[in-house]
Amino acid sequence: GQSLEQPSEVTAVEGAIVQINCTYQTSGFYGLSWYQQHDGGAPTFLSYNALDGLEETGRFSSFLSRSDSYGYLLLQELQMKDSASYFCAVRDSGNTPLVFGKGTRLSVIA
Amino acid sequence: EAQVTQNPRYLITVTGKKLTVTCSQNMNHEYMSWYRQDPGLGLRQIYYSMNVEVTDKGDVPEGYKVSRKEKRNFPLILESPSPNQTSLYFCASSPSGRAPYNEQFFGPGTRLTVL
Repeated sequence: GQSLEQPSEVTAVEGAIVQINCTYQTSGFYGLSWYQQHDGGAPTFLSYNALDGLEETGRFSSFLSRSDSYGYLLLQELQMKDSASYFCAVRDSGNTPLVFGKGTRLSVIA
Repeated sequence: EAQVTQNPRYLITVTGKKLTVTCSQNMNHEYMSWYRQDPGLGLRQIYYSMNVEVTDKGDVPEGYKVSRKEKRNFPLILESPSPNQTSLYFCASSPSGRAPYNEQFFGPGTRLTVL
């Protein structure tokens, strides 16, 4: 089976940078994904890392270290609209479904 | 517009009264899945389907049934709802359930209250 750990809450100031960590335990590994969910909305896909290193998409970046079973989502130039929950997700084999973490609620304050 | 639709969006019902939540996608996706979301517990998978006529249990399947008779539809059936099934339910689809297809498209959610 798989297990994922991420902080339950993070607070950051508008314009700052915030990092949301995710550690995982899986029997195999087929990539780490990140999803965003605003209050009252549906989760939406943000990024996917299959290999070690940093993937950048605009203000958002995602990092993976397979040797440490660890990844993070980095949000730069925070905006109020970034206030949302962020979920990491993994699968431990090529044929098994994604398993989601419990989510990190990010609050951006002025 | 490519989308996943769910109906109803909101439902209040009573214990024991059978209900069905429909889910439909127009993207010709093979993979569909149902999740429930409860405060502090994240997204927990109920059932999933890798393709037509292929369904499997997720992490919390008790009290639920599904069917996948056609590619676009994946209804969630609660034969005898109980108050512990009060939750926010999401349907999702993806071109495939296998790696590297990690982008799932979620429906808008169905908020169910069982009294």
